[in-house]
Amino acid sequence: EVQLVESGGGLMKPGGSLRLSCAVSGITFSAAWMSWVRQAPGKGLEWIGRIKSKGGGGTTDYAAPVKGRFSISRDDSESTLYLQMNGLKMEDTALYFCVWMNRVTTPGYWGQGALVTVSS
Amino acid sequence: QSALTQPASVSGSPGQSITISCVGTSSDVGAYNSVSWFQQHPGKAPKLMIYEVTNRPSGVSERFSGSQSGNTASLTISGLQTEDEADYYCSSCTSSGICLFGGGTKLTVL
Repeated sequence: EVQLVESGGGLMKPGGSLRLSCAVSGITFSAAWMSWVRQAPGKGLEWIGRIKSKGGGGTTDYAAPVKGRFSISRDDSESTLYLQMNGLKMEDTALYFCVWMNRVTTPGYWGQGALVTVSS
Repeated sequence: QSALTQPASVSGSPGQSITISCVGTSSDVGAYNSVSWFQQHPGKAPKLMIYEVTNRPSGVSERFSGSQSGNTASLTISGLQTEDEADYYCSSCTSSGICLFGGGTKLTVL
């Protein structure tokens, strides 16, 4: 069974930093392309970034609103995905989902999300 | 890039069919056969219902079907059931796994 479990969410002040983790099981994580998607309260889904498998180059891409502030990394030995968020803004308040791209073009499996609240 | 365009809401009665559209451009929806559709109930994670325009994952009801014409993709739900009431999102991802989502459609089953 595929499982994705996010952790690390919380209440942060503007300008702060936070790192989310996503523990993945049930798949060959080292071969997986992974994404982060967020959902602001009462709003729609927003793709924020993707990391390829190391075999696929290991590269990352980000959406414009988070580029330069957020970074995605992975620890294949621990089957864990990370999202480092720096320079947090109030508009970053959202539920952050870890997503396995089970096909390159398909966000197929989702975690339950980690809530990040940015408020002064 | 702007989000894909979906109607804010649709409604139907039990047993009826409804269609939700997802309008993109020749740079996203029209460029790749990669549109996915997701169902999201309140407080839950999105669930994949359709991938690569027309394919259903194992376990998804045959009442859900997808299609595409040019830059517009569509999700059709036939034989509406009360449990189909949810938010629905489309996505289009490039061959490099860079994705764009629609704004979401709230389906009400009257």
